[in-house]
Amino acid sequence: DGGITQSPKYLFRKEGQNVTLSCEQNLNHDAMYWYRQDPGQGLRLIYYSQIVNDFQKGDIAEGYSVSREKKESFPLTVTSAQKNPTAFYLCASSTSGGADSPLHFGNGTRLTVT
Amino acid sequence: GQQVMQIPQYQHVQEGEDFTTYCNSSTTLSNIQWYKQRPGGHPVFLIQLVKSGEVKKQKRLTFQFGEAKKNSSLHITATQTTDVGTYFCAGWWAGNQFYFGTGTSLTVIP
Repeated sequence: DGGITQSPKYLFRKEGQNVTLSCEQNLNHDAMYWYRQDPGQGLRLIYYSQIVNDFQKGDIAEGYSVSREKKESFPLTVTSAQKNPTAFYLCASSTSGGADSPLHFGNGTRLTVT
Repeated sequence: GQQVMQIPQYQHVQEGEDFTTYCNSSTTLSNIQWYKQRPGGHPVFLIQLVKSGEVKKQKRLTFQFGEAKKNSSLHITATQTTDVGTYFCAGWWAGNQFYFGTGTSLTVIP
């Protein structure tokens, strides 16, 4: 089955540690996204990539980094510079990254930093 | 930054009652998409609206796009327990991203 796989489902880290969230898709989609979801705030865009080896910052990119070395993979690193990293992180992909392309989401990773 | 406001934030209804969520943008949108997220799940695409005044239906769900393309609504007729979840709108305009509303969490009381 085609889809987006995020791992792990739950992640616990100590404050001050960097952590990398995995996102893989086998939908052959060009565009991939990382969103952060907090209660009552909807989904906010962290980073997106419309093509391999290129990515752009979203509205809340500070304290995060990404890479897009392969079409299928778009890992997100939450660095120690992110002031409030505890959240639900959703990876998504779309065919072209354009306005008419629906987003397909993974199951998410819930990160807790203490 | 760009904002998409969505109301209400929470809605509790008796099974069989109707439900409506509203989405408002300060900027004219190119299009709008609607997503549903079940409790503990991830958002799933429902529909896209592109044209001014467009109305689309999916069984008991009716989606509308305002004439000025600044607002949209989702109406569910005769809610069922399977309708439980959070409904998000996502608007697209000049930038290269969708801006999501804050979502409306629907609880259906059997």
